[in-house]
Amino acid sequence: GAVVSQHPSWVICKSGTSVKIECRSLDFQATTMFWYRQFPKQSLMLMATSNEGSKATYEQGVEKDKFLINHASLTLSTLTVTSAHPEDSSFYICSARTPEGLTGFRYGYTFGSGTRLTVV
Amino acid sequence: AQKITQTQPGMFVQEKEAVTLDCTYDTSDQSYGLFWYKQPSSGEMIFLIYQGSYDEQNATEGRYSLNFQKARKSANLVISASQLGDSAMYFCAMREAAVSGGYNKLIFGAGTRLAVHP
Repeated sequence: GAVVSQHPSWVICKSGTSVKIECRSLDFQATTMFWYRQFPKQSLMLMATSNEGSKATYEQGVEKDKFLINHASLTLSTLTVTSAHPEDSSFYICSARTPEGLTGFRYGYTFGSGTRLTVV
Repeated sequence: AQKITQTQPGMFVQEKEAVTLDCTYDTSDQSYGLFWYKQPSSGEMIFLIYQGSYDEQNATEGRYSLNFQKARKSANLVISASQLGDSAMYFCAMREAAVSGGYNKLIFGAGTRLAVHP
């Protein structure tokens, strides 16, 4: 089946530093990747949509300069949290549009395993 | 605006019993899709079941079935014969209509935490 590998699983960083999170589609080409953020005991909130080879589309209220998204290839999308602060501590998870041949239906989404970011 | 509503913050069920998790949605689109995901404490999102708006039959996947009532705009998840491993957070999600030139996003409900008791 379709697999999206997300790394790191967890990361602790100092306030003011930047952190990069990677999502790789292992057995399919992910032309579109979605990035979500989830606070404890809350739902997933979409941050941005990245399309291979073009600029990401950010949801309203998401700071483009803080959350840099790069989708340079059909199998790799990255989210960089720049100048991280404690309020950026959260669970970040990516999701890739998945071909029908791998899901059995026209619209499928494969999620990475998530990254737990703690900024101290 | 499209919206997903899950009104049950938490549910309890006895092992081997069936449980229904509620989900209602709001959309003006004719073509849409509804998903259910399970999120254990590890955080991963596990796909459970999918229902397309034009599918005439309710979707089933093993112990999971989706009670799709289009006129009521509801898509409840039914888990039969609950197991201890079913204890997790469950999210209902809807595929949004694509904005011109864009791609279909998934929007999520608030989630329901299910606890299965022995």
